[in-house]
Amino acid sequence: GQNIDQPTEMTATEGAIVQINCTYQTSGFNGLFWYQQHAGEAPTFLSYNVLDGLEEKGRFSSFLSRSKGYSYLLLKELQMKDSASYLCAVRDSNYQLIWGAGTKLIIKP
Amino acid sequence: IAGITQAPTSQILAAGRRMTLRCTQDMRHNAMYWYRQDLGLGLRLIHYSNTAGTTGKGEVPDGYSVSRANTDDFPLTLASAVPSQTSVYFCASSTGLAGGPDTQYFGPGTRLTVL
Repeated sequence: GQNIDQPTEMTATEGAIVQINCTYQTSGFNGLFWYQQHAGEAPTFLSYNVLDGLEEKGRFSSFLSRSKGYSYLLLKELQMKDSASYLCAVRDSNYQLIWGAGTKLIIKP
Repeated sequence: IAGITQAPTSQILAAGRRMTLRCTQDMRHNAMYWYRQDLGLGLRLIHYSNTAGTTGKGEVPDGYSVSRANTDDFPLTLASAVPSQTSVYFCASSTGLAGGPDTQYFGPGTRLTVL
């Protein structure tokens, strides 16, 4: 079967750095996405990786290793507004997105 | 309209009733999707449409039907609601073009409770 694993919850301090990991086992691979979802709101797109390596976008970076079936989202200079769930999703061989359950990130002052 | 809209925002429904969730996008996207989101689970695809006039089944299609008469609208119908269909429903759309990320953009969601 297809599987996306992420930690259920993480806690970090305002101003610090946090890394959210995602491992996947899917039938085929056509890209990996990270989305942010604030409580009661819709998911919003953060990043996309299809080749190995690091993609940087401001305070957020995303890394992919296809051989290891592994990605992480790195958030720097954490702000209180970064408190949200972070969803990892992989596009499989059928070109459909398979979603992880999400990581709830709690930021403490 | 800007982006994707969904209606209603929330609904409480008696079991056995028929319900249609509405979704409209103004981005001229070819592809549209319906997901449900339940606590502790990832988003699960119910149905999708790659272009107007075509639809396909996702991971959890039973009890749901869709239609895609035009580019903008993609309604989801529950023919006879059951309590296990209590969930938050998200509609999404994407360009549907190959060769790039084909990022999906989400509507605000419909919170449905079936009693």
